[in-house]
Amino acid sequence: AQSVTQPDIHITVSEGASLELRCNYSYGATPYLFWYVQSPGQGLQLLLKYFSGDTLVQGIKGFEAEFKRSQSSFNLRKPSVHWSDAAEYFCAVGDILTGGGNKLTFGTGTQLKVEL
Amino acid sequence: EAQVTQNPRYLITVTGKKLTVTCSQNMNHEYMSWYRQDPGLGLRQIYYSMNVEVTDKGDVPEGYKVSRKEKRNFPLILESPSPNQTSLYFCASRAGAHNEQFFGPGTRLTVL
Repeated sequence: AQSVTQPDIHITVSEGASLELRCNYSYGATPYLFWYVQSPGQGLQLLLKYFSGDTLVQGIKGFEAEFKRSQSSFNLRKPSVHWSDAAEYFCAVGDILTGGGNKLTFGTGTQLKVEL
Repeated sequence: EAQVTQNPRYLITVTGKKLTVTCSQNMNHEYMSWYRQDPGLGLRQIYYSMNVEVTDKGDVPEGYKVSRKEKRNFPLILESPSPNQTSLYFCASRAGAHNEQFFGPGTRLTVL
């Protein structure tokens, strides 16, 4: 069965500092990978996704993620964090066998706090 | 405006009283899903549907039912709610396997 691990429950960074959120997955083949962001009281918004091809994926709001098969990782990065990036971030893996990601498994999330 | 709507947004009920949470999307998406979100557990998929009359269990289907009689609607049914189903529920839809999943605003359910 597929699974996702986000080892950091909380992360605090200063505004303007760089950010890396970790995500490790377990899946038997090349997975479909996603990063979502959830602001307080809101639904989830897709930041970026990886299906195939270039392993460095660009997303919205200046975020990027790199798929590393050898490490089973899909870490999210941003070079300079803004106060508005404070939110909860979820990594997810999709099951190719059920239609390319309709069955999504989410990590437990990383809460990002940004200090001014 | 393209969107996924859920109703109600907030619901407090008692154990055993059947309830339905509706979900509707206006994007003609084939795929729809229900998730529950609990602190420290992230989002867990309850059920998903790949088309009308095609549904399948997610990771935590016990105590829930769904139906997909028409493409735009995907109601979540709790026949006999219990306190452990107190949670924040999200409906989502997507056009296809490689498309973005759009989430509804969430329904906060409390079962007393």
